[in-house]
Amino acid sequence: DTGVSQNPRHKITKRGQNVTFRCDPISEHNRLYWYRQTLGQGPEFLTYFQNEAQLEKSRLLSDRFSAERPKGSFSTLEIQRTEQGDSAMYLCASSPYLGLQNTEAFFGQGTRLTVV
Amino acid sequence: DAKTTQPPSMDCAEGRAANLPCNHSTISGNEYVYWYRQIHSQGPQYIIHGLKNNETNEMASLIITEDRKSSTLILPHATLRDTAVYYCIVRDYNDYKLSFGAGTTVTVRA
Repeated sequence: DTGVSQNPRHKITKRGQNVTFRCDPISEHNRLYWYRQTLGQGPEFLTYFQNEAQLEKSRLLSDRFSAERPKGSFSTLEIQRTEQGDSAMYLCASSPYLGLQNTEAFFGQGTRLTVV
Repeated sequence: DAKTTQPPSMDCAEGRAANLPCNHSTISGNEYVYWYRQIHSQGPQYIIHGLKNNETNEMASLIITEDRKSSTLILPHATLRDTAVYYCIVRDYNDYKLSFGAGTTVTVRA
């Protein structure tokens, strides 16, 4: 399967703990995105990478959140000192970059985080 | 700052066409209309997009009005597997982000 892969699929953690999620995009895609989705809402944009450069961060991404994409391949999203409000589905997506032309994004299945 | 308006829910009979409306009255000339869907517990899936001409692919058809202020996604022969939340998104040509609203929950009934 050559789609976007996210691990783990589910994570339960205690409040105050740190968690890290991994995303493996489609191999030839140089754009990578993180979104967050809470129950009953559509996904909300968190951050965007083009290759290894993080080019935009949403104001939703507090100081406790950090994302990396070393070498422009896989990406990690870390949440430090988790809070109950961080409970959500974290979605990763990737797309190719074809100049200025928009292309569709391919999403992974997401990581569901529950903070207890 | 939602740019689209969709009904919160709709039902559809299996085997019949499902017509999903979307209003985007403030759309600008550089903005495309995208449709994604999200089946329960999965990530969103791209369906189709268009600028001003009608578009068709293996999944659906997209009909955009001449003034571009509204559009309709048509699933020609709905199946139970089409039950999902459908998102209509207006996206600038140069923008890489997708701004999802609450979408339309479509339930296909046998």
